[in-house]
Amino acid sequence: DAMVIQNPRYQVTQFGKPVTLSCSQTLNHNVMYWYQQKSSQAPKLLFHYYDKDFNNEADTPDNFQSRRPNTSFCFLDIRSPGLGDAAMYLCATSRDRRQTQYFGPGTRLLVL
Amino acid sequence: KQEVTQIPAALSVPEGENLVLNCSFTDSAIYNLQWFRQDPGKGLTSLLLIQSSQREQTSGRLNASLDKSSGRSTLYIAASQPGDSATYLCAVFSGNTGKLIFGQGTTLQVKP
Repeated sequence: DAMVIQNPRYQVTQFGKPVTLSCSQTLNHNVMYWYQQKSSQAPKLLFHYYDKDFNNEADTPDNFQSRRPNTSFCFLDIRSPGLGDAAMYLCATSRDRRQTQYFGPGTRLLVL
Repeated sequence: KQEVTQIPAALSVPEGENLVLNCSFTDSAIYNLQWFRQDPGKGLTSLLLIQSSQREQTSGRLNASLDKSSGRSTLYIAASQPGDSATYLCAVFSGNTGKLIFGQGTTLQVKP
């Protein structure tokens, strides 16, 4: 049974057209993370939610926003995607900070 | 600033061989360390988490060790199989936020 679900698996958008990626979890974990992974690179943390508290990484561009309306769901909004935002976006959850993180299958974003 | 390095970047072995993947980190004041597997175009699968107070952790044919003082972790894979072919990533937990700092990964190919 899938524990961390990401939709869609593939997303094609146009340069500058807003896009929203979705993540849901059935684990009832407190923490949800969004990572960006570009081709042949390591995943890089964009931000995370500890319960309702939003924590942004210092080097995350303002173009990236996130929402967590409830425990189960978290969204990644890219307000004006550029060509450099094409990447795999990975959602992860953990029961608490510094505990095992469980990743979803990822959403591959293509910007035309 | 914590940096994580994995050597070698790629490894090819015949089926049945035992092998060791290496991970080193610059700041020994880590909390936990987690090993992942990533198949091409897919998300990350958690393999093992070693807490900072532990020296090793085992799961099936996998054994991970941690030596904080020397800034090293190893992932030992026994009796490798073609299905083990994937990229293996190690990541250390940085600070209090649960942020994972990833290495670049070792891409393993096990030949039948």
